[in-house]
Amino acid sequence: SQQGEEDPQALSIQEGENATMNCSYKTSINNLQWYRQNSGRGLVHLILIRSNEREKHSGRLRVTLDTSKKSSSLLITASRAADTASYFCATVSQGGSEKLVFGKGTKLTVNP
Amino acid sequence: ETGVTQSPTHLIKTRGQQVTLRCSSQSGHNTVSWYQQALGQGPQFIFQYYREEENGRGNFPPRFSGLQFPNYSSELNVNALELDDSALYLCASSLVGTGGLWDYGYTFGSGTRLTVV
Repeated sequence: SQQGEEDPQALSIQEGENATMNCSYKTSINNLQWYRQNSGRGLVHLILIRSNEREKHSGRLRVTLDTSKKSSSLLITASRAADTASYFCATVSQGGSEKLVFGKGTKLTVNP
Repeated sequence: ETGVTQSPTHLIKTRGQQVTLRCSSQSGHNTVSWYQQALGQGPQFIFQYYREEENGRGNFPPRFSGLQFPNYSSELNVNALELDDSALYLCASSLVGTGGLWDYGYTFGSGTRLTVV
């Protein structure tokens, strides 16, 4: 079963604009990760944020985590056509194995 | 060798047949997981191996089985294939220490596209 729900399901923007994707989840987590997937290929890890962190940056990416609301957001600034992909949030729950529980993803299209 | 490699990239099988998918983990990683991704969905966790022992299993029937070898390569076996097994199968590896997962998360392979007819 899916843990996270990404919102929106699809997003279309112009190059240079910012893209914001949201993720909600259901259980207590150890960490939350964002992945990108191009055209049904393998996933690429973007960023990991731990449950005791509130914000993290990596290049043009900014991730926030609100554990009280069980939600996270991914902001991509100054988007490029190459950012066109599906973006997934994935959670790792407290205790047990380090398995990832994915949402259904947000399909981002960046128009040149 | 860096990265995770999976073979084959595409496979077509007949219902009822058996299939073995292979994965070579990234060098230095001690954990490998397998995921099934149906079209338009997020990946679903099948199982995970840590130092050759199964370390967690998702909601998949026993006809899905796996192995991790001493060199950290891995296999996913599926018996009695069903049409609904058609999906992209992803292998992911990482290094898990006493503090849990490292900040670089999992490294995924490009997947095996399995079609059951």
